Amino acid sequence: NAGVTQTPKFQVLKTGQSMTLQCAQDMNHNSMYWYRQDPGMGLRLIYYSASEGTTDKGEVPNGYNVSRLNKREFSLRLESAAPSQTSVYFCASSDRGGNGYTFGSGTRLTVV
Amino acid sequence: AQKITQTQPGMFVQEKEAVTLDCTYDTSDPSYGLFWYKQPSSGEMIFLIYQGSYDQQNATEGRYSLNFQKARKSANLVISASQLGDSAMYFCAMREGLTGGGNKLTFGTGTQLKVEL
Repeated sequence: NAGVTQTPKFQVLKTGQSMTLQCAQDMNHNSMYWYRQDPGMGLRLIYYSASEGTTDKGEVPNGYNVSRLNKREFSLRLESAAPSQTSVYFCASSDRGGNGYTFGSGTRLTVV
Repeated sequence: AQKITQTQPGMFVQEKEAVTLDCTYDTSDPSYGLFWYKQPSSGEMIFLIYQGSYDQQNATEGRYSLNFQKARKSANLVISASQLGDSAMYFCAMREGLTGGGNKLTFGTGTQLKVEL
């Protein structure tokens, strides 16, 4: 099915470990986003990529890096995981019209 | 200041009744879009309905309608004939600026809806 695919779905890290969350979309969307969801706080934007070759910080970028590998793929990297990064991470993409956003199924990350 | 405010952390509704979930927004941009998403306990984000700032009529999608009051900066979601499967978290979100890519969504904190028999 067409959509946004995130991997992995679940991950447990130890403090200080690094990992990369992968995201790929097959809808030919230009823009891609990474959000985190914490209880009581809704979804908050970490980083986004308006188009291939560009990335920008969102509301909560500290502790994260991103790479827009090509039009399809947008990865999120945690260089040195901290317990405060325990969260559910969502990748999303949007069309040029900005009226259609598609979300991945999420990655539940726990940092111990 | 919060850009999207959802003041109802939790709501209860009887099956087959209608329910309104409140959302107010804050923007100085004349061009914006308002979205509602449903998040069931399984965790996925499901798009429900969209309203553009220049749309003259309130958006409707099946049992969902958006009560858009521009002067009051409110975009309430109305669910008619509630069903048990409507029990979920509901998020209001806003996209500011002209369309063209890279327009981020800003989310509210959500309303947990429980539909009762």
